[in-house]
This record gives sequence, structure tokens and C-alpha cells, in this order.
Amino acid sequence: SQQGEEDPQALSIQEGENATMNCSYKTSINNLQWYRQNSGRGLVHLILIRSNEREKHSGRLRVTLDTSKKSSSLLITASRAADTASYFCATVAPFSGGYNKLIFGAGTRLAVHP
Amino acid sequence: GAGVSQSPRYKVTKRGQDVTLRCDPISSHATLYWYQQALGQGPEFLTYFNYEAQPDKSGLPSDRFSAERPEGSISTLTIQRTEQRDSAMYRCASSPGVSGTDTQYFGPGTRLTVL
Repeated sequence: SQQGEEDPQALSIQEGENATMNCSYKTSINNLQWYRQNSGRGLVHLILIRSNEREKHSGRLRVTLDTSKKSSSLLITASRAADTASYFCATVAPFSGGYNKLIFGAGTRLAVHP
Repeated sequence: GAGVSQSPRYKVTKRGQDVTLRCDPISSHATLYWYQQALGQGPEFLTYFNYEAQPDKSGLPSDRFSAERPEGSISTLTIQRTEQRDSAMYRCASSPGVSGTDTQYFGPGTRLTVL
């Protein structure tokens, strides 16, 4: 079963608008990562935020992490049609034998219309 | 260098047949992961390798699934006696570290359809 849950499941906006996606999780984490999946293509890593960080920026992306609420958000500013994709949050949590496992949510499908 | 590659990209097979999927990770990466992704869902962990060692098989759905990475580089995922419920995208990823905390680099996936 998947730990993360994204909200909303689908989001439709116009080019130039901002897009916000939220992720909630259930257990303690080492870090949280966001990935993008374009139609018919592989998953691409966007950004990693560690459990002791609260906010991180990368270009038009802004990620926040609230470990007390076990939630994260991904903000894409000034969206473009090329941002159309599914966005997944993935939590890295301790597993057996000192290993950490990446657990994905179900994703948010973002459509950006020209 | 080149990214993670997977082959075949598409595989259609009949129920009961065996299939083998291949993953070629980034050459310097120690760790290799296999995931299964159903339509409309995020990837689900199947198994991973640290070099040639396979510490965790817990995500494999049944004993029909097995994976190898004999020389610590290329890996194969084999599904024996395929069933329709095995239809999914199978994704491989690799990462440089061995702790499981760093960024994973994904291949394009193999779309398996079992008729």
C-alpha cells in the first residue's frame, strides 16, 4: 500500500497561473521527494526536502514540509503547458536492516491549458 | 553518461507465459530498484539490489516474481506463469548511494500486457 496521498487528484489551470499540490503521509520520514511523470515517459526527480527543512526552492518550484502535520506541498509558479504531467510525492522512511524505502502516493494529474 | 534504460519498452504476452524484463542502470550507481505501477497509481516497490546483493524481496507480489543482478550492474525481473493481474508498467531506477535516501533515476519503463 502507498503511504502518501496527494490532493487534489486532478488539477486544471490556465497558463500563467500557479498550481499547488498537497501530499500527506503517515509515518516518520527521512526526506520527502517530488517526481514528475509526463505521459508515456519515465519519472523525473524534481526536488528533495529533508525532514529538518521547512521550505525549498528550485526555479519555479517551491516545496514546503510540515512534519508536525505530516504534510508537504508543491507550488509551481507561472505554469506552462509543458508542466502538464502527473506529480508524485514520495516519502523516504526507515525500513528493515537500516535501509530506507521510497514510497509513492497516487499522484496529482495537472493539466495546464494554453 | 547515459541514463537508465529498460527493454523491451512494450511486451504483450499470453497468460501462463514467462516474461523477462531488463534494466540497465547508470553505470556508477550502487543501488537498483524495481517498481510496479498500475494505471493511475504511483509506483509500488518490488525489490532492490545493493550491487549484487538483494536485501529485500518483500514487495514481490508472489513467488512467480524473481529478480537478479548477478554482476552488480544489469538486472532482470522475471515473471513466471503470467496472469492478467500482472499487467502494469514495470519501472527500474538506480541511485548512487546504498542508504535508499537519495534521488532515484528512473528508466522509461516496460509496459506489460498479459492477455
